[in-house]
Amino acid sequence: DIVMTQTPLSLSVTPGQPASISCKSSQSLLNSDGKTYLYWYVQKAGQSPQLLIYEVSSRFSGVPDRFSGSGSGTDFTLKISRVEAEDVGLYYCMQGIHLRTFGQGTKVEIK
Amino acid sequence: QVQLQESGPGLAKTSETLSLTCTVSGDSISSHYWSWIRQPAGEGLEWIGRVFFTGIGDYNPSLKSRVTMSLDTSNNQFSLKLSSVTAADTAVYYCARDYPAWVRGVIFDYWGQGIPVTVSS
Repeated sequence: DIVMTQTPLSLSVTPGQPASISCKSSQSLLNSDGKTYLYWYVQKAGQSPQLLIYEVSSRFSGVPDRFSGSGSGTDFTLKISRVEAEDVGLYYCMQGIHLRTFGQGTKVEIK
Repeated sequence: QVQLQESGPGLAKTSETLSLTCTVSGDSISSHYWSWIRQPAGEGLEWIGRVFFTGIGDYNPSLKSRVTMSLDTSNNQFSLKLSSVTAADTAVYYCARDYPAWVRGVIFDYWGQGIPVTVSS
């Protein structure tokens, strides 16, 4: 089984400041088709999760460009360039190369 | 617009089978894999498994012995059965659209609103 480990588990950010979340997988997420199946989702209070980033760095439709993803192999990062109040929520990474596994989640809150 | 809606009993008895259905609108059930994901209160997301329109399923190894998923193409629905439930299975259960069957795409771009299920004796 592939284990996904996120750090930190909690993040308090001043509006307008950047934020960064790390996600590490226990195995490479690079598939034979050349794609890396690492995804990021955000779950806002009382809502279903929503897709933010797919295949490491591609923003899903409607996602603001202050969100960016990077990484390769087993190490990945989600960055928010300037945190806004609406970014509060739980952020999850997920691997999609072998079945599906989510990270533990990172709680982002505003200072 | 693709929409998913979970339905089923909000209460299950210990040792019995939990049964949920997800109704899909705005897309054909034959177009994608379809997944179930759950979230215990105050905890993270756990993938339960996915099913393809052929009926073939892939399940979380930790739940595999208790999970069955199926589809009803005539009603554009897919279902989850989880047997021998305990209090540890109490969670909000989400259905979500998984990877496309025939073209490249993304995983979990559409989710249901979630249905809370409590397991109690």
